[in-house]
Amino acid sequence: NAGVMQNPRHLVRRRGQEARLRCSPMKGHSHVYWYRQLPEEGLKFMVYLQKENIIDESGMPKERFSAEFPKEGPSILRIQQVVRGDSAAYFCASSPSGNEQFFGPGTRLTVL
Amino acid sequence: EDQVTQSPEALRLQEGESSSLNCSYTVSGLRGLFWYRQDPGKGPEFLFTLYSAGEEKEKERLKATLTKKESFLHITAPKPEDSATYLCAVQVETSGSRLTFGEGTQLTVNP
Repeated sequence: NAGVMQNPRHLVRRRGQEARLRCSPMKGHSHVYWYRQLPEEGLKFMVYLQKENIIDESGMPKERFSAEFPKEGPSILRIQQVVRGDSAAYFCASSPSGNEQFFGPGTRLTVL
Repeated sequence: EDQVTQSPEALRLQEGESSSLNCSYTVSGLRGLFWYRQDPGKGPEFLFTLYSAGEEKEKERLKATLTKKESFLHITAPKPEDSATYLCAVQVETSGSRLTFGEGTQLTVNP
């Protein structure tokens, strides 16, 4: 059973560009979470989704950030007009039930 | 506000030297407490879930325990491959299923 897959693993963007991060959950998992780990900081919750629904987006910045988990295909975290402060590791986790969460390898975003 | 505090921030052990990591929490209604291991450049790896005070779980050299205010991760006779950052996280009844993480304990085991 393949684990949570994230791509790309590394992403470099210039200020003002868009970043799209993709996450494929483990087979049979319908709950997807996104977390961000800023340099020298802990993991912070961003958003929780189930198929076609955003359940909890209380950790998402109000502007420039959006997330979706369509009926078909991976979950997408989209960051518009990136700034240097968006440089971080973004982790996706999936869960079969909303309890134990299993993390992917992360996408490391660098904004130049 | 829910808070999770891990101590120590960093711990150096000699191979075979047993010790414990602490995770103290202040939350309004604990749903579950989770331990993860994170190696540099990788995602957190799930270790344990604890749901109620008095519960214990073991896996190889690791044992996790839970009280009403804190959790301990005991490491017995550690090996160099146990070197990693250990993360504690909580799920709270009023916050759905999102995890609130502590800052982690960076463990180094020297041969």
